[in-house]
Amino acid sequence: GQNIDQPTEMTATEGAIVQINCTYQTSGFNGLFWYQQHAGEAPTFLSYNVLDGLEEKGRFSSFLSRSKGYSYLLLKELQMKDSASYLCAVIDSNYQLIWGAGTKLIIKP
Amino acid sequence: TAGITQAPTSQILAAGRSMTLRCTQDMRHNAMYWYRQDLGLGLRLIHYSNTAGTTGKGEVPDGYSVSRANTDDFPLTLASAVPSQTSVYFCASSDGEMNTEAFFGQGTRLTVV
Repeated sequence: GQNIDQPTEMTATEGAIVQINCTYQTSGFNGLFWYQQHAGEAPTFLSYNVLDGLEEKGRFSSFLSRSKGYSYLLLKELQMKDSASYLCAVIDSNYQLIWGAGTKLIIKP
Repeated sequence: TAGITQAPTSQILAAGRSMTLRCTQDMRHNAMYWYRQDLGLGLRLIHYSNTAGTTGKGEVPDGYSVSRANTDDFPLTLASAVPSQTSVYFCASSDGEMNTEAFFGQGTRLTVV
């Protein structure tokens, strides 16, 4: 079966750095997305990785290792507004998007 | 810009009743999707449409039907609601290219009692 694993919940301090991991076992791989979802709101796009390495976008970076079936989202200089769920999703060989359950990130002052 | 709009925002529905969740986008996207989101689970695809006039079944299609008469609209119908269909439903659209982001509606919170 296909599986996306993320930690259920993480806590971090305002101003700090946090890394949210995502491991996947899917039938093929055609790319990986990270989305942010604030409570009661719709998911919004953060990043897309298809090649190995780090993609940096402001305070947020996303890393991919296809050989390890692994990605992480790195958030720097954390702000209270970063409190949200972070969803990892993989495009499989059938071009279907497989979603993880999401990681709820709690930021404390 | 409206983007993608869902209606209603929330609804309480008696079991056995039918209901249509509406979804409209103004971005001229080819692909549209219906997901349900339940606590502790990832978004699960119910139905999708790659272009107007075509639809396909996702991971959890039973009890749901869709139509795609034009590019903008993608309604989801529950013919006879059951309590297990209590969920938050998200409609999404994308231009259909693999590496492009999906845009989500604000969601419909449905409670079947």
